Amino acid sequence: EIVLTQSPATLSLSPGERATLSCRASQSISSYLAWYQQKPGQAPRLLIYDASHRATGIPARFSGSGSGTDFTLTISSLEPEDFAVYYCQQRSNSLTFGGGTKVEIK
Amino acid sequence: EVQLVESGGGLVKPGGSLRLSCAASGFTFSSYNMHWVRQAPGKGLEWVACINSGNYIFYADSMKGRFTISRDNAKDSLYLQMNSLRAEDTAVYYCVRDSSGYYLFDYWGQGTLVTVSS
Repeated sequence: EIVLTQSPATLSLSPGERATLSCRASQSISSYLAWYQQKPGQAPRLLIYDASHRATGIPARFSGSGSGTDFTLTISSLEPEDFAVYYCQQRSNSLTFGGGTKVEIK
Repeated sequence: EVQLVESGGGLVKPGGSLRLSCAASGFTFSSYNMHWVRQAPGKGLEWVACINSGNYIFYADSMKGRFTISRDNAKDSLYLQMNSLRAEDTAVYYCVRDSSGYYLFDYWGQGTLVTVSS
């Protein structure tokens, strides 16, 4: 099973700041990585697929990069609605999620 | 509008069984792969199982043998039969649509809570 490790577990930032989230795979997954956002009491929402492609309707402040085993989700300037938990997910070999990164207001 | 509405959750004793249902609308159900994803209280997401548009099925290793995913395209419905339930199966179970066969999750239901406790 491919294990995805997300870091940090919690990121404390202020609105307007840049957020950088990491996801590391236990083996190469090419670019088969997606990112999801989940707010309290809500279902997750697809943000990024295939490492760097924004899903429909996702603002340009969200961007993804990486390939192989190391991936990054960047939120260029945090809006109040961006404070949430973010998960990465791989589809290279079966389907697994990372443990999540919580982006909280500092 | 795509809608996925889960039902069937509730309280069940360890060793018991439960069948979850998901009613889909707003898209051609038969053309899409469908998944179950669960989330234990306060924890992360865990993929459970997939049934694709051709009825090919696969499961997370930890779910094999106890859980059975199925679909009824005539009823636009997805199901998850869960047997031999354990406390660690306590979670919100989400019905999820696959994005055009790419094993990405583009639409999610609101989830149904399964609690396994004596």
